[in-house]
Amino acid sequence: EVQLVESGGGLVQPRGSLRLSCTASGFTFGDCAMSWVRQAPGKGLEWVGLIRSKAHGGTTEYAASAAGRFTISRDDSKSIAYLQMNSLKTDDTAVYYCARRSTLLEDFFDYWGQGTLVTVSS
Amino acid sequence: DIVMTQSPDSLAVSLGERATINCKPSQTVLHSSNNKKYLAWYQQKPGQPPKLLISWASTRESGVPDRFSGSGSGTDFTLTISSLQAEDVAVYYCQQYLRTPLTFGGGTKVEIK
Repeated sequence: EVQLVESGGGLVQPRGSLRLSCTASGFTFGDCAMSWVRQAPGKGLEWVGLIRSKAHGGTTEYAASAAGRFTISRDDSKSIAYLQMNSLKTDDTAVYYCARRSTLLEDFFDYWGQGTLVTVSS
Repeated sequence: DIVMTQSPDSLAVSLGERATINCKPSQTVLHSSNNKKYLAWYQQKPGQPPKLLISWASTRESGVPDRFSGSGSGTDFTLTISSLQAEDVAVYYCQQYLRTPLTFGGGTKVEIK
């Protein structure tokens, strides 16, 4: 059974940093691209960024709102994807989901984690 | 960026009646090289993560009831629930995956009338 479990959320002050983890199981993690998607309270879904598999270069792409502040990485030996968030703003308050790219190698998401809440507030 | 515009923002439908949700990308999501439509639909129930319903504009995921159907051209798409059930109360999102940045519609909340 495919499972994605996010962790690392919490309360952080503006301009602070936080690292989220997404621990995967039930599939060959190293073969899959992973994305982070966030949802501000009461709002819609916003794609944050993705990391491709090593076979596809392990490259990353980011939304404009995340570029330069957020970094996605992966540790295939541990089946974990990370989202390092720096220079956090109150607008970054959201539930952060990790999501698996479909096995058809296209960027829609066939599995999602339950999410972890990040609150940026002083 | 491809902007995804959904309508309506919300709708209330009687049990057993049809619900129709629209999604309009700001530019085509039809890939010219393979003639595929790079559009997905998700369902999100309260307190839960999104669930993939449909990819390629009209391909239902395994286990998704056949009352859910997707259709559309390159710039105009529809998700139809043919006979609304109580368990279909949720917010529905479209997403384009033709190119990054990946973008979602604003969501349509479906309720029971």
